[in-house]
Amino acid sequence: NAGVTQTPKFQVLKTGQSMTLQCAQDMNHNSMYWYRQDPGMGLRLIYYSASEGTTDKGEVPNGYNVSRLNKREFSLRLESAAPSQTSVYFCATGDRGESSGANVLTFGAGSRLTVL
Amino acid sequence: QKEVEQDPGPLSVPEGAIVSLNCTYSNSAFQYFMWYRQYSRKGPELLMYTYSSGNKEDGRFTAQVDKSSKYISLFIRDSQPSDSATYLCAMTGGSYIPTFGRGTSLIVHP
Repeated sequence: NAGVTQTPKFQVLKTGQSMTLQCAQDMNHNSMYWYRQDPGMGLRLIYYSASEGTTDKGEVPNGYNVSRLNKREFSLRLESAAPSQTSVYFCATGDRGESSGANVLTFGAGSRLTVL
Repeated sequence: QKEVEQDPGPLSVPEGAIVSLNCTYSNSAFQYFMWYRQYSRKGPELLMYTYSSGNKEDGRFTAQVDKSSKYISLFIRDSQPSDSATYLCAMTGGSYIPTFGRGTSLIVHP
């Protein structure tokens, strides 16, 4: 069982280029999340999806778009990359969505993005 | 002020020491309290979680919650170099979206 798979693991972009980070899960979880992690800033939520067909903005959504393609897949798109988007991006799935409970998250291994 | 505060460290201890990692929070609605461990260049992984107040023990790890003080702790007994990682606290309650602390970097030196 792979859990949460992110691709690509590394990417270097030039300012203004676009790209899509892919995330797929085999845990049959309803909710999925995209975070970015920067030194000293901790994990910051970009977008999340409580269930298939729904997406919502998190703390730092500007410059990003998402698609919840089906229950398994949740992609993050940078339309016009900027140096401020240089970061490590994590996809996660949660065992609770729109209901009470701990909502334990399972994270992918991360995607390291550098924008020059 | 962030909802969850966590000292980023780094916290450096000798092997065998008892480690105490802590978070404070301001939202009274938080009911579930989680600790994640993140090794360098890896994704966070759940270490343990507790519901409401009290203690929970798992091997060398003990999670403690004091809701009256809005303070949670993770204790590591007999710390090992393999415990060197960043430890993130997270909380849910009211909303199912976890609120994370910034993480504390722990270094256990031989």
